[in-house]
Amino acid sequence: GNSVTQMEGPVTLSEEAFLTINCTYTATGYPSLFWYVQYPGEGLQLLLKATKADDKGSNKGFEATYRKETTSFHLEKGSVQVSDSAVYFCALSDQRGRRALTFGSGTRLQVQP
Amino acid sequence: DAGVIQSPRHEVTEMGQEVTLRCKPISGHNSLFWYRQTMMRGLELLIYFNNNVPIDDSGMPEDRFSAKMPNASFSTLKIQPSEPRDSAVYFCASSEDRGVDNSPLHFGNGTRLTVT
Repeated sequence: GNSVTQMEGPVTLSEEAFLTINCTYTATGYPSLFWYVQYPGEGLQLLLKATKADDKGSNKGFEATYRKETTSFHLEKGSVQVSDSAVYFCALSDQRGRRALTFGSGTRLQVQP
Repeated sequence: DAGVIQSPRHEVTEMGQEVTLRCKPISGHNSLFWYRQTMMRGLELLIYFNNNVPIDDSGMPEDRFSAKMPNASFSTLKIQPSEPRDSAVYFCASSEDRGVDNSPLHFGNGTRLTVT
């Protein structure tokens, strides 16, 4: 079945540091890939997505590239801010007709001033 | 757009009681999902509907859980009887099914359920 594996957190960084959160997946076919972010007390919000190999999704300074050869979709940001502190979820779509997403376990990011 | 609306935000109940969680999806969205989030198991899909019809309920833990979608603007998730291990945050999400698999999900703020 489909699965998503994320690096365990928490990840603690100082403001303006470089961020990488690793995500690898197992899936049949060619799923679409997503990063969602969850702020405290809120639901998940779409951060970015990529729908085919070598696509790069980007939003708010975050980027992730769909790497089919390594089945990865790592999230990166060049300079994090305190306001980026949240839980980040990697997810993939199921191309067997389901519209639901399979999520990773989430990675908590804490950015210190 | 008000987004996905869930109620209540918090629910505290005693073991054995019936619990009903409610969700209003975004207008025009025809897919609706119920997820459960716990520290131990992360985000788990419970059930999803397309055009008000349940498509996949394989994630529903057991017969104590049931979900309905009587119309395009309302869904309920019911637990009867509730147990302490049901304590979690329950999220409802909706999406616009455009026939492709990259339609993003829009989540509500969740219902935090505590069963004592």
